[in-house]
Amino acid sequence: EAGVTQFPSHSVIEKGQTVTLRCDPISGHDNLYWYRRVMGKEIKFLLHFVKESKQDESGMPNNRFLAERTGGTYSTLKVQPAELEDSGVYFCASSQDPRDTQYFGPGTRLTVL
Amino acid sequence: AQKVTQAQTEISVVEKEDVTLDCVYETRDTTYYLFWYKQPPSGELVFLIRRNSFDEQNEISGRYSWNFQKSTSSFNFTITASQVVDSAVYFCALSEAGGANSKLTFGKGITLSVRP
Repeated sequence: EAGVTQFPSHSVIEKGQTVTLRCDPISGHDNLYWYRRVMGKEIKFLLHFVKESKQDESGMPNNRFLAERTGGTYSTLKVQPAELEDSGVYFCASSQDPRDTQYFGPGTRLTVL
Repeated sequence: AQKVTQAQTEISVVEKEDVTLDCVYETRDTTYYLFWYKQPPSGELVFLIRRNSFDEQNEISGRYSWNFQKSTSSFNFTITASQVVDSAVYFCALSEAGGANSKLTFGKGITLSVRP
C-alpha cells in the first residue's frame, strides 16, 4: 500500500511569488492534516480535513495560506504571496479515523528568498 | 493547552551504547495519546509508537523501549545497543483522545547521532 506522498520535495521561490504544495493521502484515509516545521522549531499543526471539509483550521497562520481538498482525495496548500518567514518543511499526514495514528509524508521543503 | 517538552536538543553516543530520550508533557485532557516519531536523514516522519493515557504499561520492541509515567507526565524512549542507523531526529507528540480534536502537539525534537 502506498504511503502519503507529497509534491514537490523541494521548492525555492522569490518573496511575493505563489507556491502550491500537494499531498496525496493513503488511499481510503478520510482525515488529512497539514503541519509545518520552521527551522529549529516544533512541528506545528496547520489544519485538518475530514473528507473535503475543514474540521479545524486553527493553525493556519494568516490568509496568505489557502488549503483545499476537492473531492476528498488529494489536498493542496497554496501560499500567496510567499514571505520569507514561510520557509520551512511542510508535512502532510493522513489517518482513517481521527482517533487513529497519523502517517506522515516525506514533506516539502519550501525556501523563500 | 497542550505542551510537549524535549529538553535534550542533541545527543551523541558511540555505537552499542544505550541512550534515553526524554519527553515531558502537559495536558488538561483526561484521555490522550502519546507518540514517538523518527525523522531519518531522508526526511520523512516515521511512526514508532502510540500510547493511550489509560495504558501505563511499558513497551518493548526489539532494541526500543518506552517508559510511560503519568505521575511525572513523562514518556521516555530508550534505545538499547544503539546503531548508526538510529541516527535521526526523534519527536515526541501528544493528542487528545476520543474527540474530534486530533491534532498533534510536537516537541522540538532530539537529534541523535550514533558514531561508529
